[in-house]
Amino acid sequence: AQSVAQPEDQVKVAEGNPLTVKCTYSVSGNPYLFWYVQYPNRGLQFLLKYITGDNLVKGSYGFEAEFNKSQTSFHLKKPSALVSDSALYFCAVRDNSNYQLIWGAGTKLIIKP
Amino acid sequence: SQTIHQWPATLVQPVGSPLSLECTVEGTSNPNLYWYRQAAGRGLQLLFYSVGIGQISSEVPQNLSASRPQDRQFILSSKKLLLSDSGFYLCAWSRKQGLEAFFGQGTRLTVV
Repeated sequence: AQSVAQPEDQVKVAEGNPLTVKCTYSVSGNPYLFWYVQYPNRGLQFLLKYITGDNLVKGSYGFEAEFNKSQTSFHLKKPSALVSDSALYFCAVRDNSNYQLIWGAGTKLIIKP
Repeated sequence: SQTIHQWPATLVQPVGSPLSLECTVEGTSNPNLYWYRQAAGRGLQLLFYSVGIGQISSEVPQNLSASRPQDRQFILSSKKLLLSDSGFYLCAWSRKQGLEAFFGQGTRLTVV
């Protein structure tokens, strides 16, 4: 079965420190991977995607993600966290059997001043 | 540029009342359209998607229905709301199935 997992329910990082939000996936065929951010009572905002090409993908707000095929991971990273990065982050992967997105459960990112 | 509008932002409805949530997309044609529900501020559940006018696919059996009367309009409806219909409803669009989706601001529905 195709799936995506965000193993951390919550991640806490001090402002200015690097942050990583983890995502692993399981799909047949080539993975299409996505990261989104959601602020309270708002819709999801698209951050970045990996479809093909360079394993390091750069996105909005200084975020980047590293695709690792051997580890089936697509972790979201930022070199220096801001308090304003505090939000809920979702990883998604395309289900290659029906082309719908499979969503992770979300990781709450808390950046401490 | 493309924009998506979803309204209302919040809605409080009594049990047994009807529901109509509307979503429109501007700046693109023939988008794929989606309705999601998000429970307890976490997981997203795909309710309906549409690849064209009048074409609706339902992902889960429920008290809700969807319609697409125009190319860029997607409506979520219910004839009689249940308490369990409370939640955060999100409309989204994508250029093609399997590509990134762009979301509206969501509707917080509370059934009382």
